[in-house]
Amino acid sequence: DTAVSQTPKYLVTQMGNDKSIKCEQNLGHDTMYWYKQDSKKFLKIMFSYNNKELIINETVPNRFSPKSPDKAHLNLHINSLELGDSAVYFCASSPYPQGAGGKTTGELFFGEGSRLTVL
Amino acid sequence: DAKTTQPTSMDCAEGRAANLPCNHSTISGNEYVYWYRQIHSQGPQYIIHGLKNNETNEMASLIITEDRKSSTLILPHATLRDTAVYYCIVRAYMDSNYQLIWGAGTKLIIKP
Repeated sequence: DTAVSQTPKYLVTQMGNDKSIKCEQNLGHDTMYWYKQDSKKFLKIMFSYNNKELIINETVPNRFSPKSPDKAHLNLHINSLELGDSAVYFCASSPYPQGAGGKTTGELFFGEGSRLTVL
Repeated sequence: DAKTTQPTSMDCAEGRAANLPCNHSTISGNEYVYWYRQIHSQGPQYIIHGLKNNETNEMASLIITEDRKSSTLILPHATLRDTAVYYCIVRAYMDSNYQLIWGAGTKLIIKP
């Protein structure tokens, strides 16, 4: 069974459209993340949710809206897509937030990525 | 901004130890060093992490210098499957949360 699964894996769309990427984890983790990997391969965190509550919200255009219906799911909706949104988006999960309660584990479990191409 | 610097790329012969260096000269006393790798077209995979002491697990060893300004990831017997981009990452406390600050990574190519 896939631990962290994202759909779709590939998404090609026109500028101005609205699209969603879905993520599900079956690891029983409390914390989920969205990362963006640009063409230079840098990974940057966008959002993090802990038990359905937003805990990290980096400087991301408000066209990006995460939604966590339950702690096993974190979806990403993008409005009015722009050329610069083209990237690979990774969903990840961890048992708890980084550094929570003095815990040190940093292991994030990543999905396979969703490659978004905006034309 | 990334808190680590790594070589852009490295080669290693199959069966030999691969030693991947990382500089993190501005690391703070309570910031951990993590290593992940990303095999082509896959999501990143956790390898190991440490604070001060050297660490070893089934995948690799992590050697951290005494001043903590640099570290080395060691893959003891590299195989072709170890070809990937290896990221050295610092976990920093930012905006009221701990976050992993990713750098550009080292592309490691294992040659037969």
